[in-house]
Amino acid sequence: DTAVSQTPKYLVTQMGNDKSIKCEQNLGHDTMYWYKQDSKKFLKIMFSYNNKELIINETVPNRFSPKSPDKAHLNLHINSLELGDSAVYFCASSPGPAQLSSSTDTQYFGPGTRLTVL
Amino acid sequence: GIQVEQSPPDLILQEGANSTLRCNFSDSVNNLQWFHQNPWGQLINLFYIPSGTKQNGRLSATTVATERYSLLYISSSQTTDSGVYFCAVNGGTDSWGKLQFGAGTQVVVTP
Repeated sequence: DTAVSQTPKYLVTQMGNDKSIKCEQNLGHDTMYWYKQDSKKFLKIMFSYNNKELIINETVPNRFSPKSPDKAHLNLHINSLELGDSAVYFCASSPGPAQLSSSTDTQYFGPGTRLTVL
Repeated sequence: GIQVEQSPPDLILQEGANSTLRCNFSDSVNNLQWFHQNPWGQLINLFYIPSGTKQNGRLSATTVATERYSLLYISSSQTTDSGVYFCAVNGGTDSWGKLQFGAGTQVVVTP
């Protein structure tokens, strides 16, 4: 019944490895997001997709690549992991502009994935 | 992009006390949300409130969009209210959907 789910919950890996985090939402939303929370708890948006189309692409190293196979899924692939990538990554979803006449544009967040790079 | 400032940065309350958290923002907003991040790290939606007043149990929020601030009220605080409270906004010249988060207010409620 989880609205926005992420896997894995914890990810511990070595520098230089490639890893992926998966996100799924069952809310019927059109828009999904990735946010990064650093060690000081500051949250910052990374990417957003609306109906599988990239609409927000913040200043993020190109080692980070989002992929949306369908509007219910948004995955984050990270190449050549660095120590500074250690953080909690949150996925979120919202109805999106096409649905705003019938809903508010509330963003709902997943449980987060804690990534530790050693 | 739109700037968001939250105050106070830290708050220690005794159980049963009331408190007010403030969020100031620098431009007109399309979206304003309050979140509670509990000690387990989960981000819980409290309110979607780009304008007006809402109440949910012991929590209420008011946004005065023309004066560019929002307030979150916690009444009769409980230990389960501990955690970080974030205000997040979308507006100004930022792309639709891009939430800018404040730095948060760390709340500790003691028994």
